[in-house]
Amino acid sequence: GAVVSQHPSRVICKSGTSVKIECRSLDFQATTMFWYRQFPKQSLMLMATSNEGSKATYEQGVEKDKFLINHASLTLSTLTVTSAHPEDSSFYICSARFPTGAPGGSYNEQFFGPGTRLTVL
Amino acid sequence: DAKTTQPTSMDCAEGRAANLPCNHSTISGNEYVYWYRQIHSQGPQYIIHGLKNNETNEMASLIITEDRKSSTLILPHATLRDTAVYYCIVRVARGSARQLTFGSGTQLTVLP
Repeated sequence: GAVVSQHPSRVICKSGTSVKIECRSLDFQATTMFWYRQFPKQSLMLMATSNEGSKATYEQGVEKDKFLINHASLTLSTLTVTSAHPEDSSFYICSARFPTGAPGGSYNEQFFGPGTRLTVL
Repeated sequence: DAKTTQPTSMDCAEGRAANLPCNHSTISGNEYVYWYRQIHSQGPQYIIHGLKNNETNEMASLIITEDRKSSTLILPHATLRDTAVYYCIVRVARGSARQLTFGSGTQLTVLP
């Protein structure tokens, strides 16, 4: 199946700093990528939908000025957590939507990255 | 997307079949049933999906009731590596740009 990578896999930072997380679709072009957040023992919660070349769409309650999303190319979306605080510590997961009708496509439209564990001290 | 209900947790003996139920009584005619699983500290992994017919692939089988109000994911010979949270998701068909909405899922623990 298609591969989605995330970098870094784990990051520890001090409170007040900004952290950038990259999500890449390695063998397909993704016009749409999704960013999820998962707190311990909880399910994945969608934060925002990232569309290549346009502004991201944020879910209710997610601060767009704090979680900056850039989808500048068809294979890369970035999530920047600005002025991170301990309550932002979480597991951040991206997924990339496989283009409908593209060769190698399937009904498994979304492929997930391995996640990034963010710890803010 | 239709709401789903799954048991919080289940145990299964290694080598036995694991049967994971999901209720989706408000499913619409154009909504598919998808199953994903998430092994601890990893991203979700697609397992299988179906509309109304039973489906089978190399990972699992999906049994959907005739009224489509519930389904069962079957792992025929569970191994320790199948220990994970299994999510049943109902959503519109292929081609939709809509996101996947994850419920709380079922924690499957395969016991040696």
